[in-house]
Amino acid sequence: EAGVAQSPRYKIIEKRQSVAFWCNPISGHATLYWYQQILGQGPKLLIQFQNNGVVDDSQLPKDRFSAERLKGVDSTLKIQPAKLEDSAVYLCASSLNGLLGGQETQYFGPGTRLLVL
Amino acid sequence: GENVEQHPSTLSVQEGDSAVIKCTYSDSASNYFPWYKQELGKRPQLIIDIRSNVGEKKDQRIAVTLNKTAKHFSLHITETQPEDSAVYFCAGGMDYGGSQGNLIFGKGTKLSVKP
Repeated sequence: EAGVAQSPRYKIIEKRQSVAFWCNPISGHATLYWYQQILGQGPKLLIQFQNNGVVDDSQLPKDRFSAERLKGVDSTLKIQPAKLEDSAVYLCASSLNGLLGGQETQYFGPGTRLLVL
Repeated sequence: GENVEQHPSTLSVQEGDSAVIKCTYSDSASNYFPWYKQELGKRPQLIIDIRSNVGEKKDQRIAVTLNKTAKHFSLHITETQPEDSAVYFCAGGMDYGGSQGNLIFGKGTKLSVKP
């Protein structure tokens, strides 16, 4: 079974530039998450999708970050404009989310390492 | 909202010894507690999880205990090996009825196992 795919793996940009990350979840997984992991810290949830709808984006800095999952499969996360403090690893995760509910294992992608200069 | 505290931030043990990492959570409604292992430059990978309807779960050398009254849970690794060296994250979350709630992660524990 293929895992969660992310691209690019690395990105270096200058502050005030724009950047976009892409995620392809495990086939059939309804729930998709974007996390930000700053060096030395645990992942912090930015946004959670259930199919193509947003479940939780309370920690997404909406003035500069946006995300979409238009067809309920792939997702993109965009930062515009980037700031120095956005340097981090951006992890995408997915879970199956059965109809009976309950927490299910989240499977993480390899992440995109962003460096803002 | 939920807050998860994790201790210690670093832990060094001799090969063969046991390692214990502890986490506390603030929201009594949380009912799912996974542990992830993250090797340097790699993705977090689930190693074990526990739900609030049990107090302990074991998988070979790894065990997790949960005390709902005190709102803390712990990861126990016995007979540690050098390949156990990594950063370990605890997390807490809850069910949202038919959909899945998000996870709040601790800040991580860097475990070093010395041969």
